[in-house]
Amino acid sequence: DAGVIQSPRHEVTEMGQEVTLRCKPISGHNSLFWYRQTMMRGLELLIYFNNNVPIDDSGMPEDRFSAKMPNASFSTLKIQPSEPRDSAVYFCASSRATSGRGYNEQFFGPGTRLTVL
Amino acid sequence: GQNIDQPTEMTATEGAIVQINCTYQTSGFNGLFWYQQHAGEAPTFLSYNVLDGLEEKGRFSSFLSRSKGYSYLLLKELQMKDSASYLCAVGSGGSYIPTFGRGTSLIVHP
Repeated sequence: DAGVIQSPRHEVTEMGQEVTLRCKPISGHNSLFWYRQTMMRGLELLIYFNNNVPIDDSGMPEDRFSAKMPNASFSTLKIQPSEPRDSAVYFCASSRATSGRGYNEQFFGPGTRLTVL
Repeated sequence: GQNIDQPTEMTATEGAIVQINCTYQTSGFNGLFWYQQHAGEAPTFLSYNVLDGLEEKGRFSSFLSRSKGYSYLLLKELQMKDSASYLCAVGSGGSYIPTFGRGTSLIVHP
C-alpha cells in the first residue's frame, strides 16, 4: 500500500497567490482529514470528509480556505489569496470510518510545507 | 471545547524509562490517542485508550484514568530513535475525531 500521498511536498509562493494542495487517501479509506501544523498552534484540524462529503469545516480559518473531495481518491485544499500567516505544514490523513474498533486510526501523509513570502 | 496539556520538552538517557503525561478536559470523552512524530515527518499512531488502565504494546505502554482526565505514555529501554515529538489527542462526541495537544518533544541522549 502506497500510503497517503500528498503533493507538492514543498511550496514557496508569494503573498496573494493561489495555492492548491493535493491529497490521495489510502484506497478503501472513507474518511479524509486536512490538518495544519505550526509551532505556535500545534496540529489543528481544518476539515474532514466522510464518503466524499464535508462533515465539519469549523476549523477552516476563513473564507480564503476551501476544500473539495470530488471522488474517493482525491482531495484538494485551496488557499486564495495566500498570506504569510498561512505558512505551515499541511497534512492530509485518511481512515476507515467503520474500523470495527470504534475509533479512527488515522494514517497521515508526508505533508506539504508551505511558505508564503 | 477541549483543553489538552502536556509538557513541552523532556530529556532522557538511552536505556532508561520515561513517562510523558497528558491531562485533558473535555465533554463526551470517547478515547485518548498517542501519536509519535519524528522531526520533519508525519505523525504515526501509537495507541488508543478508552477504558481505565494500562495498555502495553512492546516497549510502549499507555495509561488512562478517565475520572482524573489523565493519561501517560511510558517508554521503556529508550533508544536514540525514540527522540521525537509525542502527541496526546482526545476524541469526543460521536465522531471519534481526535483533537491534538501541542506535543512533547522527547530528546534521548547517550
